[in-house]
Amino acid sequence: DGGITQSPKYLFRKEGQNVTLSCEQNLNHDAMYWYRQDPGQGLRLIYYSQIVNDFQKGDIAEGYSVSREKKESFPLTVTSAQKNPTAFYLCASSIVGGNAYEQYFGPGTRLTVT
Amino acid sequence: QQPVQSPQAVILREGEDAVINCSSSKALYSVHWYRQKHGEAPVFLMILLKGGEQKGHEKISASFNEKKQQSSLYLTASQLSYSGTYFCGTENAGNNRKLIWGLGTSLAVNP
Repeated sequence: DGGITQSPKYLFRKEGQNVTLSCEQNLNHDAMYWYRQDPGQGLRLIYYSQIVNDFQKGDIAEGYSVSREKKESFPLTVTSAQKNPTAFYLCASSIVGGNAYEQYFGPGTRLTVT
Repeated sequence: QQPVQSPQAVILREGEDAVINCSSSKALYSVHWYRQKHGEAPVFLMILLKGGEQKGHEKISASFNEKKQQSSLYLTASQLSYSGTYFCGTENAGNNRKLIWGLGTSLAVNP
């Protein structure tokens, strides 16, 4: 079955530690995205990538970093510089060509930093 | 720049209809609609593009008024499974596939 996997589902970290969230897709999509969702809020874009070895900052990139070394993988690192990292993180992917594209979402990782 | 969704919340009885609106202050290239159940990933419902192209599930209908920069999602004969939070994501012209999301509309369908 094609889809997006995120691991782990729940993640707990101490303040001051960096943490990396995994996102893998086997849909052969060129574009991948990372979103952050807080309670009662919409999705806010952290980073996105439309091709391997290239990515762009979204609206809230500060305190986060990404890499895109392989088409199917787009890990997100939450650094200690992120002041309020506790949130629900969603990874998505989509095609790049064409007009009517939908974003396919992974199940999400709920990160709690104390 | 963030689209405004209305209403913020809706409560329906099974079988009733609802309309959810999404408005933008900027010219839109496309509008995307997703439904999210608590703690789960958003699920694609529909895309509406400038010029009239649409893609989505057969049982879902929506409209896109380009002049008013608005889109509406029509939920008819609601079922219990329709419960969740509905988000619109808007893409402005030249924004390179980057979506800006509304705050969501919470829909509860009761028996």
